Amino acid sequence: DAKTTQPNSMESNEEEPVHLPCNHSTISGTDYIHWYRQLPSQGPEYVIHGLTSNVNNRMASLAIAEDRKSSTLILHRATLRDAAVYYCILRKGEGSGAGSYQLTFGKGTKLSVIP
Amino acid sequence: ETGVTQSPTHLIKTRGQQVTLRCSSQSGHNTVSWYQQALGQGPQFIFQYYREEENGRGNFPPRFSGLQFPNYSSELNVNALELDDSALYLCASSSGQPNTRNTEAFFGQGTRLTVV
Repeated sequence: DAKTTQPNSMESNEEEPVHLPCNHSTISGTDYIHWYRQLPSQGPEYVIHGLTSNVNNRMASLAIAEDRKSSTLILHRATLRDAAVYYCILRKGEGSGAGSYQLTFGKGTKLSVIP
Repeated sequence: ETGVTQSPTHLIKTRGQQVTLRCSSQSGHNTVSWYQQALGQGPQFIFQYYREEENGRGNFPPRFSGLQFPNYSSELNVNALELDDSALYLCASSSGQPNTRNTEAFFGQGTRLTVV
């Protein structure tokens, strides 16, 4: 399985932008890049995903490098509610069948937001 | 549209016992996956069900088993509980084909299992 590498932790001041990096140098051509976050005492929550082009939604933006070996999740204005563990995940997508839906979580990046 | 709900929220069992955890999928979702999350770790994939059939399994022994019902709700059963089975168990549902890489999963809040 293609793996991802993220910093263990990051800090941000409230209302400032946050850039969360993720390296995935062994990504295959058909793997989608997914981001989930997990707030304390809750299940993971979908944030955003993309394949090649940069993506925006109401929660965040995803910037994908041209060679697809890295990506950055951008929170435009961090709030206290954004304090969570952020997971960068490559969807196992080679063919169909067994296990192809599974999400392989690493340890993620713990984001702290300072008031 | 209701979200993914899991029951119970907390559970304490004794080593060697059996446990059943339940998950009600989000409306319209036909695929359900189960994950185990140990303290301080990311969730680990246990298995996935699609249309009542197991459709993928992670590195978990056969004493972890599951069911999916016609209404797409699901159960996770664990036999012969061990102390290391203490964890947060998460259920996630999604719609469409299980091998679709382009869909998102919706997670429940989990069941915290403690084995003593």
